[in-house]
Amino acid sequence: DVKVTQSSRYLVKRTGEKVFLECVQDMDHENMFWYRQDPGLGLRLIYFSYDVKMKEKGDIPEGYSVSREKKERFSLILESASTNQTSMYLCASSPEIAGTLYEQYFGPGTRLTVT
Amino acid sequence: KQEVTQIPAALSVPEGENLVLNCSFTDSAIYNLQWFRQDPGKGLTSLLLIQSSQREQTSGRLNASLDKSSGRSTLYIAASQPGDSATYLCAVTPLRGYSTLTFGKGTMLLVSP
Repeated sequence: DVKVTQSSRYLVKRTGEKVFLECVQDMDHENMFWYRQDPGLGLRLIYFSYDVKMKEKGDIPEGYSVSREKKERFSLILESASTNQTSMYLCASSPEIAGTLYEQYFGPGTRLTVT
Repeated sequence: KQEVTQIPAALSVPEGENLVLNCSFTDSAIYNLQWFRQDPGKGLTSLLLIQSSQREQTSGRLNASLDKSSGRSTLYIAASQPGDSATYLCAVTPLRGYSTLTFGKGTMLLVSP
């Protein structure tokens, strides 16, 4: 079974802090994704990566950055956390077959509260 | 820009009923469509994936259909159980370019004993 793990289930941070969210997958998938999920807005893509050291902006990249130094690990960074970044953050991974994405697998999520 | 809509937003049924969840998308140029389940406060679990060349996929009591030309998919749940209570999301992958999912906002299902 594919396993995607996230470093924390719940996280509370103060405004202005630098926050790191870590995601690890164990299936040698090429592609990894970070989403945030908010009531009434659904899931929105923040960043994704299709290879080590490669990244692409999603729909809402402002206020976030990412790092992918190893194939299995994809980190989301909030350089200076703000209260409007309070949300559920979901990581996902997928293999790449024939140049297009296949099934996406999700981690358990991190509930981040910024006070 | 692709938009995915799910109707209804919430559904409450008694145990044992068969039910249908609907998903529509505006751009028919898709590679696949995926149905997910999400329990409160948890991540997403993939239920079924339908490639654009397929008409339906089945897994146990679940059956998903796809009509790409009309931009519609349905998820059929047979003999519903209280354990089916969750939010169900559909998502589509575009045919070209970087293939990232576009999600609907989900249908919240409650199955009462």
